[in-house]
Amino acid sequence: DIQMTQSPSSLSASVGDRVTITCQASQDISNYLNWYQQKPGKAPKLLIYDASNLETGVPSRFSGSGSGTDFTFTISSLQPEDIATYYCQQYDNLLFMYTFGQGTKLEIK
Amino acid sequence: EVQLVQSGAEVKKPGESLKISCKGSGYSFTSYWIGWVRQMPGKGLEWMGIIYPGDSDTRYSPSFQGQVTISADKSISTAYLQWSSLKASDTAMYYCARRSYYGSTESSFDIWGQGTMVTVSS
Repeated sequence: DIQMTQSPSSLSASVGDRVTITCQASQDISNYLNWYQQKPGKAPKLLIYDASNLETGVPSRFSGSGSGTDFTFTISSLQPEDIATYYCQQYDNLLFMYTFGQGTKLEIK
Repeated sequence: EVQLVQSGAEVKKPGESLKISCKGSGYSFTSYWIGWVRQMPGKGLEWMGIIYPGDSDTRYSPSFQGQVTISADKSISTAYLQWSSLKASDTAMYYCARRSYYGSTESSFDIWGQGTMVTVSS
């Protein structure tokens, strides 16, 4: 099975800061990598699909990059409404299996 | 509006059975895979399994195979997640989510239900 290692597990940053979260796969997953935002008490929301594509309606301060085993999610200028937990998710198209990263809880300093 | 609406919160005793539902609307329900995701209290997201309502093709995570059953009734655009004998460790929020056709991988979940909280306690 493909393992996903997401880091950091928690992060504290100030409004306006650039924030970066990484996700590493245990083997090459090409661009089968998506990013979600989950606010407390709410369902997850898709932000980035196929590693770097912005979902419709998502602010452009969110971005994703990477391919193969190493992926990065970035918020270019942190806003108060970005407080949430962020998850990466990969899809193994050979085994038809999905795996989420452990999550990164983002807080405001 | 495209949406998935899940059934309400449940409180059950260990050993009881349960079936929760996820009703799709605003799109062709039979043309999109529906996945189920568990979130235990204070924990992360875990993929449980997925079903294609068009032909009921179903795949399970090895972690959940044999523990739950996923089904769908395409005549009423509804997917289900069921347990035959609940355990206290099944206490969690359960989400259904639609697999998208976005991009080259078609591997993301673009529409999510609001979640169903299942509490199992004696």
